[in-house]
Amino acid sequence: DVKVTQSSRYLVKRTGEKVFLECVQDMDHENMFWYRQDPGLGLRLIYFSYDVKMKEKGDIPEGYSVSREKKERFSLILESASTNQTSMYLCASSSGTVYEKLFFGSGTQLSVL
Amino acid sequence: GENVEQHPSTLSVQEGDSAVIKCTYSDSASNYFPWYKQELGKRPQLIIDIRSNVGEKKDQRIAVTLNKTAKHFSLHITETQPEDSAVYFCAANVGGGGADGLTFGKGTHLIIQP
Repeated sequence: DVKVTQSSRYLVKRTGEKVFLECVQDMDHENMFWYRQDPGLGLRLIYFSYDVKMKEKGDIPEGYSVSREKKERFSLILESASTNQTSMYLCASSSGTVYEKLFFGSGTQLSVL
Repeated sequence: GENVEQHPSTLSVQEGDSAVIKCTYSDSASNYFPWYKQELGKRPQLIIDIRSNVGEKKDQRIAVTLNKTAKHFSLHITETQPEDSAVYFCAANVGGGGADGLTFGKGTHLIIQP
């Protein structure tokens, strides 16, 4: 079974800190995604990548950046964390075209104080 | 970009009754419409999907219908059971193909009353 692993389940950071969220998948998927989930707002796409070193902005990229140096790993970076970035962050991966299902990680609940 | 509207935000039904969740989308190029289920504290998981070349798809107690002309699609759950309680998200692909990601609706919290 596909495994998408996020490095932390809960994370507490201070305003202004640089934050790294890591995601690793073990199924050689081409596509990887970062979503944030907020109550009443659903899942919103931050960034995605369809190949190593490739990245594309999603719907809400402001305040975030990403890195994909290896196929299995996709990192989300908050350059200077702010309180409005407190959220649940979900990583996902898929193979081939967008017609393939997304496999989600278990999420990282980030609190910025 | 794509905009996906989902209704209702909360749906409470008696066990054994049917539940219907509706979504509309804005991008006429969208051609893939999956539904994800997220149980409390767990990750979203795909439960059913439909492509634009069909109007309906069934899998046991769940079905999805698509009306491309009206740009809406719906999830139908029959004979609801307690394990159907969850948040359900509809989604549509951006730009009609490729790996451009999915745009999700805001979710429907389905509550099954015993």
